Amino acid sequence: AQTVTQSQPEMSVQEAETVTLSCTYDTSESDYYLFWYKQPPSRQMILVIRQEAYKQQNATENRFSVNFQKAAKSFSLKISDSQLGDAAMYFCAAPLFGNEKLTFGTGTRLTIIP
Amino acid sequence: DAGVTQSPTHLIKTRGQQVTLRCSPKSGHDTVSWYQQALGQGPQFIFQYYEEEERQRGNFPDRFSGHQFPNYSSELNVNALLLGDSALYLCASSLGIHEQYFGPGTRLTVT
Repeated sequence: AQTVTQSQPEMSVQEAETVTLSCTYDTSESDYYLFWYKQPPSRQMILVIRQEAYKQQNATENRFSVNFQKAAKSFSLKISDSQLGDAAMYFCAAPLFGNEKLTFGTGTRLTIIP
Repeated sequence: DAGVTQSPTHLIKTRGQQVTLRCSPKSGHDTVSWYQQALGQGPQFIFQYYEEEERQRGNFPDRFSGHQFPNYSSELNVNALLLGDSALYLCASSLGIHEQYFGPGTRLTVT
């Protein structure tokens, strides 16, 4: 079955520290994008970062970076210098059934400890 | 530059009724996707509209239908509402198959 798996339902990190959220996926697509979205309590889904599968270089967006391992179908998100505003649900998303349709993982709830 | 907007914010309906949710895409975007997010879960793809046609559909019954207008805005219609349809309905817009930008969602409660 084609799935997106986030194995960490909850994570916590001390403010200013670094945390890594895990995601694995299974797709038969050869060229695709991968995404991390953040959903704070306000419920607005916010795009954090995207990775193009044909690029070997890992994407970086300020304090957010990914570790993309295409052969292992792994796509983890690293948050450096964690801030209180980073507290949210984080969803990994991949186009498992064609690039138009995103499949989301079950999410990881990230808590930032002051 | 306005982002994706959705209306209404909240909605309460009774079982068996019909509901229409609306979405305006981000400026410059031509593709609208709809997702259902049950409490504590990730969003589930309902369908996607491009050039006023349904391009792809998820595993949802025919009670869920949609429409896209020439200005790229979109509606999601749900007929014969069930208690299980209670969820957050998210609209996302994109330019083709690129990254999707989400609206704030409509919280639907079916009683």
